[in-house]
Amino acid sequence: DTAVSQTPKYLVTQMGNDKSIKCEQNLGHDTMYWYKQDSKKFLKIMFSYNNKELIINETVPNRFSPKSPDKAHLNLHINSLELGDSAVYFCASRNREGGKLFFGSGTQLSVL
Amino acid sequence: GENVEQHPSTLSVQEGDSAVIKCTYSDSASNYFPWYKQELGKGPQLIIDIRSNVGEKKDQRIAVTLNKTAKHFSLHITETQPEDSAVYFCAASMGGNMLTFGGGTRLMVKP
Repeated sequence: DTAVSQTPKYLVTQMGNDKSIKCEQNLGHDTMYWYKQDSKKFLKIMFSYNNKELIINETVPNRFSPKSPDKAHLNLHINSLELGDSAVYFCASRNREGGKLFFGSGTQLSVL
Repeated sequence: GENVEQHPSTLSVQEGDSAVIKCTYSDSASNYFPWYKQELGKGPQLIIDIRSNVGEKKDQRIAVTLNKTAKHFSLHITETQPEDSAVYFCAASMGGNMLTFGGGTRLMVKP
């Protein structure tokens, strides 16, 4: 069973569209994250949720809106997609402070 | 906030040789330092971590050292194998909640 699963794996869309990426973890973890990896492989945190509550929101445009219906799910909705949004987006989860961080396999977003 | 720098950005070694990747961090309050391996098309996977109360940790062919005074830590891979080829990331955090990653090192092990 996949510990952290995200869908879709690939997402190709036009500028201006709205899209969502879904993430689910079956590890019983309390904290979930979204990371963005750019073309140079640099990993940067976007959001962190602890038990459905937003605890970290880095300097991300408000076109990005995370939604956590329960502590096992953290979805990412992106409005009015721009070329610069093209990247690989990783969902991750952690059990407790200092616990191991588990990543999903990533969603490669290409905005044309 | 924390800033983590990682060197080198690319590293090519012959199979069987050792590989060393170095990271420096800026926030002296950071106390957790994990290393991740990312294979092509996959998410990063934790391979080893160290906490600030320990100077060195080893797991088979992989070891990590930490120098708190100098604020740097290193990953050592001995007897490298082609399957070690990947991108490696160091990271640092205080308390483990918000990890700041280094820029990554692409390791290539030539058979």
